[in-house]
Amino acid sequence: DAGVIQSPRHEVTEMGQEVTLRCKPISGHNSLFWYRQTMMRGLELLIYFNNNVPIDDSGMPEDRFSAKMPNASFSTLKIQPSEPRDSAVYFCASGGEETQYFGPGTRLLVL
Amino acid sequence: SQKIEQNSEALNIQEGKTATLTCNYTNYSPAYLQWYRQDPGRGPVFLLLIRENEKEKRKERLKVTFDTTLKQSLFHITASQPADSATYLCYVEDSNYQLIWGAGTKLIIKP
Repeated sequence: DAGVIQSPRHEVTEMGQEVTLRCKPISGHNSLFWYRQTMMRGLELLIYFNNNVPIDDSGMPEDRFSAKMPNASFSTLKIQPSEPRDSAVYFCASGGEETQYFGPGTRLLVL
Repeated sequence: SQKIEQNSEALNIQEGKTATLTCNYTNYSPAYLQWYRQDPGRGPVFLLLIRENEKEKRKERLKVTFDTTLKQSLFHITASQPADSATYLCYVEDSNYQLIWGAGTKLIIKP
């Protein structure tokens, strides 16, 4: 298996633009997680899905953030409009019963 | 609410010695606790899981203990090597399906 796949790996955009991050989980995993990591705040859980259904989105910062999982093999995290404080590394992870497998992350820079 | 505390200061260990990292939780004992390793620019990688009813778990040079009386897990790396240098994260899932990560401890193994 190729592991969790994220795209793009790097994204540089200007404030106010829409950003869409994509994730393909490991086949057979029924949970999917979106995280944000910064030096100041560490690893923060934004939202997680179980069997494509959002279970906990309490970590989503505000209405500018939205996440979807239309099927078991694809998820998106969208930021609209983006702001400089959204600059961070965004990780997607998938998991079976207990452990999580992380993707390589998307490094986002909002100017 | 449950919180995870890890030593925020970097831990410097001489090569060949045993490195010991600490993870403390504040409230009730989780059903299981996990340790992950994160290298710069990469996502966390699962290392070990220990359940509430287990005192100790081993994997090669790694050992994890779980003390529900002290509300603490210890993570040991024996015969440490410079390649073990990384940030190590502690993670629990509580009974309310809250996913809680520690801030991580940076381990530096000096040759």
